[in-house]
Amino acid sequence: SQQGEEDPQALSIQEGENATMNCSYKTSINNLQWYRQNSGRGLVHLILIRSNEREKHSGRLRVTLDTSKKSSSLLITASRAADTASYFCATDIRGSYIPTFGRGTSLIVHP
Amino acid sequence: DVKVTQSSRYLVKRTGEKVFLECVQDMDHENMFWYRQDPGLGLRLIYFSYDVKMKEKGDIPEGYSVSREKKERFSLILESASTNQTSMYLCASTPRVNTEAFFGQGTRLTVV
Repeated sequence: SQQGEEDPQALSIQEGENATMNCSYKTSINNLQWYRQNSGRGLVHLILIRSNEREKHSGRLRVTLDTSKKSSSLLITASRAADTASYFCATDIRGSYIPTFGRGTSLIVHP
Repeated sequence: DVKVTQSSRYLVKRTGEKVFLECVQDMDHENMFWYRQDPGLGLRLIYFSYDVKMKEKGDIPEGYSVSREKKERFSLILESASTNQTSMYLCASTPRVNTEAFFGQGTRLTVV
């Protein structure tokens, strides 16, 4: 069963613009993570935000978490063509430590 | 440099064959996972393991089995491959306390 769901399913922007992706989940979590997947490859971890945190930054990435709404957002600022990839959120149902993934957002950044 | 290595990037097998997908991690992680990824469906958990010789079913275990004889190696077995098992298979590992998951490069399996 899918715990997290990303929105939108697909996003197409121009280089330099910001990209925002959202993730909603169903049950209480320990933490929420965002991953990136280049076409045909494995997933690479981007950032982890714990359930008691509200915002986290890493380079051009900004993640927010609203546990009352059971939602998170990933913002990529000043996007580049190299940011073209699929982005997934992963949550773990409290106590399980099993990363559960959504269907992902496919981001295309046009040069 | 930490690594999760899957034995093959691409694999083509015939219907009815027994297929082994191997995954090895060098980080001494307790937890290992097998997912399959299909277009529009995201990653779905097949099996996972918390420790050597331990295994637990995920969301879609039918048609699959696993083996974890050593801590670093987690094998996915398709007892009798079928065309609906054509997919991308991803192995991942995490330490005991959940932090980031490390993924292998994926195996794209085609069953003909």
